[in-house]
Amino acid sequence: GAVVSQHPSRVICKSGTSVKIECRSLDFQATTMFWYRQFPKKSLMLMATSNEGSKATYEQGVEKDKFLINHASLTLSTLTVTSAHPEDSSFYICSARNRAGYNSPLHFGNGTRLTVT
Amino acid sequence: DQQVKQNSPSLSVQEGRISILNCDYTNSMFDYFLWYKKYPAEGPTFLISISSIKDKNEDGRFTVFLNKSAKHLSLHIVPSQPGDSAVYFCAASAGTGANNLFFGTGTRLTVIP
Repeated sequence: GAVVSQHPSRVICKSGTSVKIECRSLDFQATTMFWYRQFPKKSLMLMATSNEGSKATYEQGVEKDKFLINHASLTLSTLTVTSAHPEDSSFYICSARNRAGYNSPLHFGNGTRLTVT
Repeated sequence: DQQVKQNSPSLSVQEGRISILNCDYTNSMFDYFLWYKKYPAEGPTFLISISSIKDKNEDGRFTVFLNKSAKHLSLHIVPSQPGDSAVYFCAASAGTGANNLFFGTGTRLTVIP
């Protein structure tokens, strides 16, 4: 079945540094990938939609200059948390849908636990 | 504004019995609903879905029921197995191909051997 790989699974960084998270679709092409964030005891919240070859679409309230998204190929999207602060500590999950299956469900990566100290 | 709600944060069920997980939604534009299962340190895994033209969808031990008038859906697992222990998220969207899924907060199911 479809697999989405997310790396790293855990990262600890110091305040003020930047962290890059990768999301790869391993056995299908994804023109669109999605980045979610989950706060403790909260639901997954869509942050942005990553479009291959064009700019990402950000949800209301998400700072595009802080959460940089690059979708350089049909199988890779990256989320860079710039100048990270402790309040950015969270669980970030990417997802993708097979471009050939418009009605297919989203497949999720395993998530990245970011801790900013 | 939580448009999809799972009011039970946890549920414990004996192995072999039925597990019923509930989900309510507020947005009448939602017409496609999904259940995801999530193990610790892993991303959600798609389990089963239902569109609003149906009121029931079954896949093996998993059945999802949709009550559009009540804006309520439920996931039934029978018989429950210890391996079913996980967090279950309900999600909804307007359209099967919609990009924005609205998730509930999840229900942690524990199946007791």
